[in-house]
Amino acid sequence: DQQVKQNSPSLSVQEGRISILNCDYTNSMFDYFLWYKKYPAEGPTFLISISSIKDKNEDGRFTVFLNKSAKHLSLHIVPSQPGDSAVYFCAASAPHTGNQFYFGTGTSLTVIP
Amino acid sequence: GAGVSQSPSNKVTEKGKDVELRCDPISGHTALYWYRQSLGQGLEFLIYFQGNSAPDKSGLPSDRFSAERTGGSVSTLTIQRTQQEDSAVYLCASSLTSGSGSDEQYFGPGTRLTVT
Repeated sequence: DQQVKQNSPSLSVQEGRISILNCDYTNSMFDYFLWYKKYPAEGPTFLISISSIKDKNEDGRFTVFLNKSAKHLSLHIVPSQPGDSAVYFCAASAPHTGNQFYFGTGTSLTVIP
Repeated sequence: GAGVSQSPSNKVTEKGKDVELRCDPISGHTALYWYRQSLGQGLEFLIYFQGNSAPDKSGLPSDRFSAERTGGSVSTLTIQRTQQEDSAVYLCASSLTSGSGSDEQYFGPGTRLTVT
């Protein structure tokens, strides 16, 4: 049962434009969300997070938006750069899940120079 | 400083054999996680260690899977009688404190396991 879903396996964007990566979840108890970035042959690296008490968190070119009513979050990258080309995973956790993070299947972003 | 390291980076084994995967977390990190990523799937939680507490094994897919963490540092994930469906990338992560939702996890590069 996939509780966190990334329905777009891939996305291509021109350099300088905005990249929008989407993530949906089914468990309304999730209260903390994270985005990880993964390059080939490397482990995921933390990118940005958001708590359910917020609806937006911004860090430089990266902004995460949370829509709790829709159980949807998105990652915006603007302007996109070729070095942003990677697989992006969203993840979620809830108090009752203790130590478990639930990850989506990832979206492969390609930024075209 | 050194990040999370895992060994081997690649492992090819025959069906039915046992394998051991190793994880060296970041020094001082008390929480350690194992995940696996099968082709086309998201990261699947396997097991969690926090200090000297009993591990959370709720994600282990079968009793062929086990893990230990010696001295609160290095961890070994063991898969007995490997099956082809065990083929995946096995990722280890560590975090500094309690392993709660707000603690950033640092991932190793993973071990790619192929069962033939």
